[in-house]
Amino acid sequence: SQKIEQNSEALNIQEGKTATLTCNYTNYSPAYLQWYRQDPGRGPVFLLLIRENEKEKRKERLKVTFDTTLKQSLFHITASQPADSATYLCALESASKIIFGSGTRLSIRP
Amino acid sequence: GAVVSQHPSWVICKSGTSVKIECRSLDFQATTMFWYRQFPKQSLMLMATSNEGSKATYEQGVEKDKFLINHASLTLSTLTVTSAHPEDSSFYICSARDRGWETQYFGPGTRLLVL
Repeated sequence: SQKIEQNSEALNIQEGKTATLTCNYTNYSPAYLQWYRQDPGRGPVFLLLIRENEKEKRKERLKVTFDTTLKQSLFHITASQPADSATYLCALESASKIIFGSGTRLSIRP
Repeated sequence: GAVVSQHPSWVICKSGTSVKIECRSLDFQATTMFWYRQFPKQSLMLMATSNEGSKATYEQGVEKDKFLINHASLTLSTLTVTSAHPEDSSFYICSARDRGWETQYFGPGTRLLVL
């Protein structure tokens, strides 16, 4: 069956460290993968999109990698700040629908 | 960036009444709109996809007669929860994208509480 799994339900790290979140998928062959941020009681906000032919993409303190052999994407936040605390969702498109992982709740402690 | 609004942001209603939620794209044409439902501490569950001028396509397990979706214009879609019951209480979020876009843009969500 098709699955998108974000292995850590919650991640708690010290301010200034790099946060690394994992997204694994099975029985999909996505042309691209996306990462979103969701704050409590709010809709998700788009962060980054990475295509199957791209190994890495960066935006400010964010970095995403995409390994289609491992069927995995890693999402990194460098020099993390308390304001980065939120739930991060990976998503991929299948049959014209965007399917979301369960999310990782990231907490950055001062 | 592309902006999507939702109205109302929260609503409380009595069991058995109907509630309408509006989703608007403010600065782009939303040829496709999606409706999601999210329960506490869970991920977004797609309810239905609607293309402007067409009937919505519902996901398995979502009752189309209970969750009426209308996408009559390129900037507006509505979700009506008919005969709402307490188990319909949830956070409803819409998203939209134009033709050819890979990314969809989300509204701020509507919290529904059915008493």
